[in-house]
Amino acid sequence: DTEVTQTPKHLVMGMTNKKSLKCEQHMGHRAMYWYKQKAKKPPELMFVYSYEKLSINESVPSRFSPECPNSSLLNLHLHALQPEDSALYLCASSQARANYGYTFGSGTRLTVV
Amino acid sequence: ELKVEQNPLFLSMQEGKNYTIYCNYSTTSDRLYWYRQDPGKSLESLFVLLSNGAVKQEGRLMASLDTKARLSTLHITAAVHDLSATYFCAALYSGTYKYIFGTGTRLKVLA
Repeated sequence: DTEVTQTPKHLVMGMTNKKSLKCEQHMGHRAMYWYKQKAKKPPELMFVYSYEKLSINESVPSRFSPECPNSSLLNLHLHALQPEDSALYLCASSQARANYGYTFGSGTRLTVV
Repeated sequence: ELKVEQNPLFLSMQEGKNYTIYCNYSTTSDRLYWYRQDPGKSLESLFVLLSNGAVKQEGRLMASLDTKARLSTLHITAAVHDLSATYFCAALYSGTYKYIFGTGTRLKVLA
């Protein structure tokens, strides 16, 4: 299995809702990532988990809460988002130290209304 | 801090023509990736360049890396419409897990 699976593919949520994005990989990768991508912009790193521990938080607002329950799963919990948080959220995984790049999931298109 | 710049940002070219996209990065990096992204889609890995002088080719695309100049290029040969997409380079921030992405080049190949 050489894929990173993200669910859901599309999500519309109100500003008072709580939702979660899910990411799963079975490649034995020990690093997992959340990226945010606005239209016509490059992806921006949000969080890095290494060996199930949060190793990088790029000063992301607390309304985004990551969780790594085990080495195959990565969640992003969303609460009280703003319309400007609407974007494509990409999950990725890599071997330790990312020497051979990332494998990206297909992304979740999030719209906050 | 590692910064990655690409040029041009936009590229409109005729089918059959050749062109090069440039990717400059500001500090030492020992991994350089090229990705392709179609509208509304995720990123597709094209090439990884691991050392100075590395050259990779796939079809009409060829990527190279000059670590001394901190420059990577993506050369397009005899462009076809199917190559229309946004191309990103990404450099690994040495000693970290972070790939820093370039600004992207939106390529449009006109029939």
